Amino acid sequence: EIVLTQSPGTLSLSPGERATLSCRASQSISSTYLVWYQQKPGQAPRLLIYGASSRATGIPDRFSGSGSGTDFTLTINRLEPEDFAVYYCQQFASAPPRTFGQGTKVEIK
Amino acid sequence: EQLVQSGAEVKKPGDSLKISCKASGYNFAGYWIGWVRQMPGKGLEWMGIIYPGDSDTRYGPSFQGQVTFSVDKSISTAYLQWSSLKASDTAIYYCAREQGGPFDVWGQGTTVTVSS
Repeated sequence: EIVLTQSPGTLSLSPGERATLSCRASQSISSTYLVWYQQKPGQAPRLLIYGASSRATGIPDRFSGSGSGTDFTLTINRLEPEDFAVYYCQQFASAPPRTFGQGTKVEIK
Repeated sequence: EQLVQSGAEVKKPGDSLKISCKASGYNFAGYWIGWVRQMPGKGLEWMGIIYPGDSDTRYGPSFQGQVTFSVDKSISTAYLQWSSLKASDTAIYYCAREQGGPFDVWGQGTTVTVSS
C-alpha cells in the first residue's frame, strides 16, 4: 500500500498570501496518478488537480500543482477567502486501496 | 452529471443498513463508482469501487468483509450495505464517480450514526 504524507498539518496564512502544500509518497509514482481535492466544512470534496498539474474544470488558475516521483506540491497563489479549506492528495498508481493523504488545513491567520 | 445520496441514518449496534447513491446525467454503467468514508473530524478513507456495467468490485483491505457494494443499473443507483453495524461505523459516507482514477463527481454525503 502506498502511503501519502501531507505537510504541514495546518497552514495559517492571510488572504493574498501564497500557500504551499506538500504530499510525499512512500514510493515513486507517476505524476499521472496523483490528484488533489479541496474540502470545505460541511461539503463534499471537490477535484482540483489531476495528473499532478492539470486543473479540473472550473478551477481558477491561482491553483497549480507540480512534482514527480515521491514529492508533489499544491500551490495556491494569492489566497482568496473561499480558499480556506482542507486539501487532500490521493494516488491511484497502485492496486487498491487508492490512498488519500491525511490532509492539510489552510486556515486564516 | 450528479450523484444524489440517501438521507441521514441513526441506527443501533448490530442493525443492518443499506444507503444509496443515485446517478443522473451520464452513462451510469460506464464509470466506476467509489465509496469514501470520513469519520468525525477526520480525513478521507478510500473504501473501494464498483463498476456498474458488470458489478466488478474492488474493496480496500480495511473494508473487505465489512461492507458490501452493489448496483441496480435499471435505476442508476449504487448501494453501500452493512449487515451488522458497529459504533465505529459512525461517519459520513460519500459516493463518487471515478473518471480514470480521480473522483470527479461527488455525492453530497450520507451521515450514519450508530449509537445504543
